[in-house]
Amino acid sequence: DTGVSQDPRHKITKRGQNVTFRCDPISEHNRLYWYRQTLGQGPEFLTYFQNEAQLEKSRLLSDRFSAERPKGSFSTLEIQRTEQGDSAMYLCASGRLAASTDTQYFGPGTRLTVL
Amino acid sequence: AQSVTQLDSQVPVFEEAPVELRCNYSSSVSVYLFWYVQYPNQGLQLLLKYLSGSTLVKGINGFEAEFNKSQTSFHLRKPSVHISDTAEYFCAVIASGGSYIPTFGRGTSLIVHP
Repeated sequence: DTGVSQDPRHKITKRGQNVTFRCDPISEHNRLYWYRQTLGQGPEFLTYFQNEAQLEKSRLLSDRFSAERPKGSFSTLEIQRTEQGDSAMYLCASGRLAASTDTQYFGPGTRLTVL
Repeated sequence: AQSVTQLDSQVPVFEEAPVELRCNYSSSVSVYLFWYVQYPNQGLQLLLKYLSGSTLVKGINGFEAEFNKSQTSFHLRKPSVHISDTAEYFCAVIASGGSYIPTFGRGTSLIVHP
């Protein structure tokens, strides 16, 4: 169990640029979640996958955001035409399918700064 | 929809003193409750969870929490804190019968002074 990893840990970009983040979940976990966390707030749900299927998306996930999980393994979160309001910590978590209320294991996050 | 309120944004306490971090929730259905801890520059780590059964739940690092349905609360306690407990603590709720997506509170910053 190597834990959930995220890459990069930090990203600084200029407004209008596209960025892509990667999340590698714990290998036997079927569920993968993306959250956004801004300063002084708790994590806010963005979207989640069960295997390769994206089952739910939050209203927070605008058209500029897209997530994929090809082959049900790693996942990517892309933000197109970034805005300053996109600056936040993006957290990934994974969990088992067998128990929906089982523990979600979080990665260290990717901190995005949009200048 | 469910919601979580963490009443204190910051709780300062001296080392070896007891501490209570408060969490209240709102939901029209039964809930599952969680406490997570986040150390600087790290992801969230589960401290404890209440799914059913005994209302007193014990977690890691000496923390415990009590589910009080009548007061819709799930306060986190530790009888004697250490400097290393300094971190951000998040309460979260999952409503039963839904998609099992947690709703998190805004967090409470626990600051332990020597």
